[in-house]
Amino acid sequence: EPEVTQTPSHQVTQMGQEVILRCVPISNHLYFYWYRQILGQKVEFLVSFYNNEISEKSEIFDDQFSVERPDGSNFTLKIRSTKLEDSAMYFCASSDRRVTDTQYFGPGTRLTVL
Amino acid sequence: AQSVTQPDIHITVSEGASLELRCNYSYGATPYLFWYVQSPGQGLQLLLKYFSGDTLVQGIKGFEAEFKRSQSSFNLRKPSVHWSDAAEYFCAVTSGTYKYIFGTGTRLKVLA
Repeated sequence: EPEVTQTPSHQVTQMGQEVILRCVPISNHLYFYWYRQILGQKVEFLVSFYNNEISEKSEIFDDQFSVERPDGSNFTLKIRSTKLEDSAMYFCASSDRRVTDTQYFGPGTRLTVL
Repeated sequence: AQSVTQPDIHITVSEGASLELRCNYSYGATPYLFWYVQSPGQGLQLLLKYFSGDTLVQGIKGFEAEFKRSQSSFNLRKPSVHWSDAAEYFCAVTSGTYKYIFGTGTRLKVLA
């Protein structure tokens, strides 16, 4: 069964450093998403991406964050200058169609900012 | 604003016992509702979803959920829990935009 994959599974970085989290969505999906889950808190929407542009973003997704689909298979989340509060589990998801289609989630990348 | 409440942070049941996990949502229009399960080290796996039609939906692994509009609830049930069901369960809602809104999750522990 097709699945969303994410790399790395765990990333440790120093505050102020840039990180790139990578995702390979399900191959025929058109919509891509990033969510995050701070330890002990709920899963929160960050951004959705369709047709090579952001379709929706949350207030969390500020100028420090960016997303890109650099090729036909990868979908990346970049954090330019990490802060301690960026430490979280980051989930990538993809779906075939908007609204009525299910979002399929990857296993997550745990980001630890020291 | 849309919100999802899962009132039970932790639930412990004995293997073979029945299970009900509660989910209440706050949204004006008809929501699209989901239950996901997260096992340790794993991603979020879809158990079931409700978009319209029959308010009792069947999912994978023997789970079902019932949409009750009058109570703004979408509770997850299983008649007989297995030890492998121990995990964290998330209820989510979307209104037709791109984002899902998740509850805080319920961690299920199963006693042998």
